[in-house]
Amino acid sequence: EPEVTQTPSHQVTQMGQEVILRCVPISNHLYFYWYRQILGQKVEFLVSFYNNEISEKSEIFDDQFSVERPDGSNFTLKIRSTKLEDSAMYFCASRDLSSRLLANYGYTFGSGTRLTVV
Amino acid sequence: GNSVTQMEGPVTLSEEAFLTINCTYTATGYPSLFWYVQYPGEGLQLLLKATKADDKGSNKGFEATYRKETTSFHLEKGSVQVSDSAVYFCALSPNSGYSTLTFGKGTMLLVSP
Repeated sequence: EPEVTQTPSHQVTQMGQEVILRCVPISNHLYFYWYRQILGQKVEFLVSFYNNEISEKSEIFDDQFSVERPDGSNFTLKIRSTKLEDSAMYFCASRDLSSRLLANYGYTFGSGTRLTVV
Repeated sequence: GNSVTQMEGPVTLSEEAFLTINCTYTATGYPSLFWYVQYPGEGLQLLLKATKADDKGSNKGFEATYRKETTSFHLEKGSVQVSDSAVYFCALSPNSGYSTLTFGKGTMLLVSP
């Protein structure tokens, strides 16, 4: 079964440093997302991406965050200057909406990158 | 706006007990509804889904029925196993192009032998 792949699985960084989280979505999916889960809290939407541009973003996704699809396969989330409160599990997801069947509207999530800011 | 409300956890059960985790939602239109599961140390996995009213999603012995009249999507399993111990998230997604998932807070299930 196709998978969404995220790397690294765990990253530790010092406060103020830049980090890039990487994702390889499923190849025929068109919509890409980043979500995060702070420990013990609910999963929160960060940003969605379609046709090489941001289609929607949450209040969390401020100027410190950016996303990019640098080539045909990778989808990255960059945090320019990390803060302690950025420590969380970050999930990438992709979604197939190329089919007209509603049953295909589900997301496929990666296994996540645990970011620890110290 | 859209919201999902789940019962508070943790839910503690003995093996082979019956499981219900309640989920209700608020949304405009006709969203798709999902249950995701997160096993310890792992990411989110889709457990089951339903895309229209009265649909029943099922997988691995779990079931949930999309009830529009009560705006609910309760998760049930007739006989839980220790391996079902995980956090379960109810979620919805509007059926439009850029729609995002709105999650509940998650319910931890602990099953003891």
